[in-house]
Amino acid sequence: AQSVTQLDSQVPVFEEAPVELRCNYSSSVSVYLFWYVQYPNQGLQLLLKYLSGSTLVESINGFEAEFNKSQTSFHLRKPSVHISDTAEYFCAVSDQGNTPLVFGKGTRLSVIA
Amino acid sequence: DTGVSQDPRHKITKRGQNVTFRCDPISEHNRLYWYRQTLGQGPEFLTYFQNEAQLEKSRLLSDRFSAERPKGSFSTLEIQRTEQGDSAMYLCASSPVGGQQFYEQYFGPGTRLTVT
Repeated sequence: AQSVTQLDSQVPVFEEAPVELRCNYSSSVSVYLFWYVQYPNQGLQLLLKYLSGSTLVESINGFEAEFNKSQTSFHLRKPSVHISDTAEYFCAVSDQGNTPLVFGKGTRLSVIA
Repeated sequence: DTGVSQDPRHKITKRGQNVTFRCDPISEHNRLYWYRQTLGQGPEFLTYFQNEAQLEKSRLLSDRFSAERPKGSFSTLEIQRTEQGDSAMYLCASSPVGGQQFYEQYFGPGTRLTVT
């Protein structure tokens, strides 16, 4: 069965500093990868996804993630964070796209002024 | 399009009582998923539907849990004889089948269940 490991449960970072949230998944022939964000008291929102093609995917608010098949990783990065990025971030994987997602335990990103 | 809605948002019940949650997906989304999220964990898949057909239910946590989607629109999740361990956030998500957003699951705000 597919599994996802988010190596850091909490990541504090100062405003305007870079950040990387790590995600590893168990290997499979073909996977689709997602990052979801959950702001305080809000529902899960899709941040970005990798389905195929370019291994680097970007979101509209400056986050990017790179699919690395050899390392079975899909780390999330942002070169300069803002206070408004404070949230919980979940990495998720599915074996065949539109099938149930398997989530990691989440990483709580706290941006400090 | 108002997004996925869930009702109620919060439910407090006594152990042994039955509870039912409702999820209204985005209109014309064929697939509907139920997940459970406990404190400090990511969402855990429970069951899903395509239209009114339940495609997977082996992940429902026990036979006390059941779900249905009788007309292929809204869905209900019922927990019978609730236990304290059922306390969690219950999330619903929907997605289209086909189209550019085929692989995107849209989540509702969740129903927080507290069993006392």
